[in-house]
Amino acid sequence: TQLLEQSPQFLSIQEGENLTVYCNSSSVFSSLQWYRQEPGEGPVLLVTVVTGGEVKKLKRLTFQFGDARKDSSLHITAAQPGDTGLYLCAGWGGNMLTFGGGTRLMVKP
Amino acid sequence: EPEVTQTPSHQVTQMGQEVILRCVPISNHLYFYWYRQILGQKVEFLVSFYNNEISEKSEIFDDQFSVERPDGSNFTLKIRSTKLEDSAMYFCASSERLLNTEAFFGQGTRLTVV
Repeated sequence: TQLLEQSPQFLSIQEGENLTVYCNSSSVFSSLQWYRQEPGEGPVLLVTVVTGGEVKKLKRLTFQFGDARKDSSLHITAAQPGDTGLYLCAGWGGNMLTFGGGTRLMVKP
Repeated sequence: EPEVTQTPSHQVTQMGQEVILRCVPISNHLYFYWYRQILGQKVEFLVSFYNNEISEKSEIFDDQFSVERPDGSNFTLKIRSTKLEDSAMYFCASSERLLNTEAFFGQGTRLTVV
């Protein structure tokens, strides 16, 4: 069974601060994805990273895939209240997409 | 924009009853999935389905669960005899291909077993 561990589980910060969320595994994944989930809704894809060492930017969000393709990070610069939500990492392996436990982010104005 | 739709949005059932959760995946997608999320916990994989067959299933997906694509558009999850611990949000998802691709999720069905 492939497991993904996310840290931290909860994060409460002030508007304008930077933060990093980590996603780690002992398994190699063919790709890692980051999703965002709003209350009462399904996860929505933010980004897919495929190549070891890959870095992708989405406005103030920077995603990195570890060189060994076992871990990933999400960095948010100058967080805003609109960034509040549940961030999930997920990895493709076998015939399934496996999710981490999620990081619940709250950005206070 | 194409989307995955799930019905009903909320289902309350008595313990021991059978429930069928319904999903309409995106029309040109070939791979279908069911996940569940117990309140406050992680999104857990149940099953993946391709070419009218289960391609992968988790330990959670025991003999009480079954999936079907009855008519080429719907994708259903049946729980034969519900238990209290089956109470969760159930998400259907679909993707165009397997691996390294976006999985599109529905809004979920909240199942409450009483």
